[in-house]
Amino acid sequence: AQTVTQSQPEMSVQEAETVTLSCTYDTSENNYYLFWYKQPPSRQMILVIRQEAYKQQNATENRFSVNFQKAAKSFSLKISDSQLGDTAMYFCAFMKYYTGANSKLTFGKGITLSVRP
Amino acid sequence: DGGITQSPKYLFRKEGQNVTLSCEQNLNHDAMYWYRQDPGQGLRLIYYSQIVNDFQKGDIAEGYSVSREKKESFPLTVTSAQKNPTAFYLCASSGTQGGGTEAFFGQGTRLTVV
Repeated sequence: AQTVTQSQPEMSVQEAETVTLSCTYDTSENNYYLFWYKQPPSRQMILVIRQEAYKQQNATENRFSVNFQKAAKSFSLKISDSQLGDTAMYFCAFMKYYTGANSKLTFGKGITLSVRP
Repeated sequence: DGGITQSPKYLFRKEGQNVTLSCEQNLNHDAMYWYRQDPGQGLRLIYYSQIVNDFQKGDIAEGYSVSREKKESFPLTVTSAQKNPTAFYLCASSGTQGGGTEAFFGQGTRLTVV
């Protein structure tokens, strides 16, 4: 079974600065996906970024980038030039590559990020 | 527009009643999921389904039931056996082609026991 661990319950960052959110996971699978989701106060879950395990290159989406360390089973999210709209809960998630067998989407407990003006 | 719709947004249940939460998607996704969200607990998986007429228990299935009679629909019933049903419930769907896709979420249902 896979597990996802987010050990920091809360973080705070000054507007325009950079912040890194940590995530580790445990799995025996070799092919899988990792995701970061954002949940603002509206509670709508929004995909921030996606990483395929077979890709060595770290995914980037505008101000968001990841540091994917497969051997260490680490998947951190870096937010550059933080904006007030980045204030939200952030969830790290794991899903094994679908090959016809059961493939469930597992989430960490989340981290609350506050961006200070 | 393609998407995933949950209804109702707010639901109140009396002690001892069963209630059903609706989840419909028009994304042509094979996989669908139900999660429960409590403060400090993250998203915990209740049930998931990857094909019509088949579903699997997640981590906290006790007191819940589901059905998957159509690809588009995955309703969740919260039964009277669920001792603490007050929570925020999220439904999601994802594709399975090419190894899978990210999950798309509904807007959630807030269930309160009165």
